[in-house]
Amino acid sequence: GQQLNQSPQSMFIQEGEDVSMNCTSSSIFNTWLWYKQEPGEGPVLLIALYKAGELTSNGRLTAQFGITRKDSFLNISASIPSDVGIYFCAGQGWGGADGLTFGKGTHLIIQP
Amino acid sequence: DAGVIQSPRHEVTEMGQEVTLRCKPISGHDYLFWYRQTMMRGLELLIYFNNNVPIDDSGMPEDRFSAKMPNASFSTLKIQPSEPRDSAVYFCASSFRTSYGYTFGSGTRLTVV
Repeated sequence: GQQLNQSPQSMFIQEGEDVSMNCTSSSIFNTWLWYKQEPGEGPVLLIALYKAGELTSNGRLTAQFGITRKDSFLNISASIPSDVGIYFCAGQGWGGADGLTFGKGTHLIIQP
Repeated sequence: DAGVIQSPRHEVTEMGQEVTLRCKPISGHDYLFWYRQTMMRGLELLIYFNNNVPIDDSGMPEDRFSAKMPNASFSTLKIQPSEPRDSAVYFCASSFRTSYGYTFGSGTRLTVV
């Protein structure tokens, strides 16, 4: 089956620093999505990417759909305490009929 | 919009008991997904429905697991009999045509002792 490798597994950063995380896949995806999960809640959609090469921003968040369709990255600029959480990438195959395949997540911890 | 509603939020049960998890998707969404989240395996797709019809249940771990969607506003995931290794957080998610990202519920944390 499809597998997503998400890195890093965890990040310990200072408030105000920029953050970068990425996902690579063993197969091609038609859609890349980035989610954030906070304790006791379900994942919440941050950014959706639908075309190879697409670069999309949502406030301080920027994500890109890799040209090869096998990778994506998420950047967070000027991190703040409320950015703490687990960030997941997710990919969807062609046709949209398959459920999303999720990466294992990146734990973001911000030190004061 | 109330979002995807799951119940119960927490369930503690003894091994061998039947467990039923419930989900109310967002009105108008035509896809419904059940996921399981554990530390070891992350988020795993168990089964999904399109217009109340099960499309792919290849992620259901064993025959002990079953899911139904009797109408567009309700779905259940049942485990019978439950085992300690079923302990996890179970999420329900819904979407419109799968192309616009899923909306997840808050999950049910299941503990089987």
